[in-house]
Amino acid sequence: AQSVTQPDIHITVSEGASLELRCNYSYGATPYLFWYVQSPGQGLQLLLKYFSGDTLVQGIKGFEAEFKRSQSSFNLRKPSVHWSDAAEYFCAVKKIQFYFGTGTSLTVIP
Amino acid sequence: NAGVTQTPKFQVLKTGQSMTLQCAQDMNHEYMSWYRQDPGMGLRLIHYSVGAGITDQGEVPNGYNVSRSTTEDFPLRLLSAAPSQTSVYFCASSYSTTNAYEQYFGPGTRLTVT
Repeated sequence: AQSVTQPDIHITVSEGASLELRCNYSYGATPYLFWYVQSPGQGLQLLLKYFSGDTLVQGIKGFEAEFKRSQSSFNLRKPSVHWSDAAEYFCAVKKIQFYFGTGTSLTVIP
Repeated sequence: NAGVTQTPKFQVLKTGQSMTLQCAQDMNHEYMSWYRQDPGMGLRLIHYSVGAGITDQGEVPNGYNVSRSTTEDFPLRLLSAAPSQTSVYFCASSYSTTNAYEQYFGPGTRLTVT
């Protein structure tokens, strides 16, 4: 069965610090992978996606993610976090349906 | 394009009442789905549709019905509301079930069942 694990429920970083959010997946084939962001009271917005090719993908708002097949991971990174990045982040894998992780809540302190 | 629209934004029901959450998209998307979001649980798939006239169950379908009579609309029906159905409901759509087409989400419906 397909599944997505986000091991960090909550992360706090200082503004300007680097960020890495972890995502591991269980899937029997080459997956389509996504990261979404949800601001409070809002729907989900796509940050980036991976489907093939270069394993380092760039997204919006300065985010990037790296697909590592050997580790079944698709971690999200940002070199310098801004206060506006405080939100909930979801990793997802797609077969026909989309399977979402439980999310990581990011707090940014000044 | 309006994208994915959901109505109502907020709803309070009494136990046993029924209601329909509306979802529409104007992007001619093939795939539509309903999720519920609960604290610490992420998004759980309730039902999905790969095209007009075709629906299937997701992870948590009990207590919910769907139909897809047109490409644009995908309503979610609560047959007899229970407090366990208090949640935030999101509708989403995607151009296709194949390839890496992403989902677009509606703004959500916050439902409280008392």
